[in-house]
Amino acid sequence: DSGVTQTPKHLITATGQRVTLRCSPRSGDLSVYWYQQSLDQGLQFLIQYYNGEERAKGNILERFSAQQFPDLHSELNLSSLELGDSALYFCASSGPWGVGGYTFGSGTRLTVV
Amino acid sequence: DAKTTQPPSMDCAEGRAANLPCNHSTISGNEYVYWYRQIHSQGPQYIIHGLKNNETNEMASLIITEDRKSSTLILPHATLRDTAVYYCIARPSVSMNRDDKIIFGKGTRLHILP
Repeated sequence: DSGVTQTPKHLITATGQRVTLRCSPRSGDLSVYWYQQSLDQGLQFLIQYYNGEERAKGNILERFSAQQFPDLHSELNLSSLELGDSALYFCASSGPWGVGGYTFGSGTRLTVV
Repeated sequence: DAKTTQPPSMDCAEGRAANLPCNHSTISGNEYVYWYRQIHSQGPQYIIHGLKNNETNEMASLIITEDRKSSTLILPHATLRDTAVYYCIARPSVSMNRDDKIIFGKGTRLHILP
């Protein structure tokens, strides 16, 4: 157990639907990062939050949004889902100032049918 | 963050030392070298990081050349469970603006052969 909790582990949904992925960071970590990994593809950075504020944005689609709540957990919302959104979605957290390394969760596998 | 270059794949016999090279010729003085690995479909795992001195922990050793333009991650006694994609990243350890995202490259796919 890395200390970063992602739910659900698996999600199957239809095209056009909306889903919410949840991430609870490691205790004490203020930063949360979201990554997408499609089949046999690399890790694509989506977005970073630090203590409730958006800090960095990657190639995140307009159909996707995220937020970090006062208790520091984060949610990634994916809407108008397409087949190509099927992927592993990872959340990671890190301590203040990004000292040391990231800790990743075990991911949510999203399948859009 | 400085660009890093890694071979796309490597093989290593089980029980032998796996030496994974990384080139980071444009690294700046405040950038650390970080290594992560991703075992198939699992979340990436932090391995080790260093600035200029060699580092060792329970997982691996990191050897950084004196000019800091390259480094080698060493897994001293590779096992089948070490089969994974290994990522070398150069970035500041402390980010004053807290925009400290990591951009992962393609890494090295390490195959441990029985």
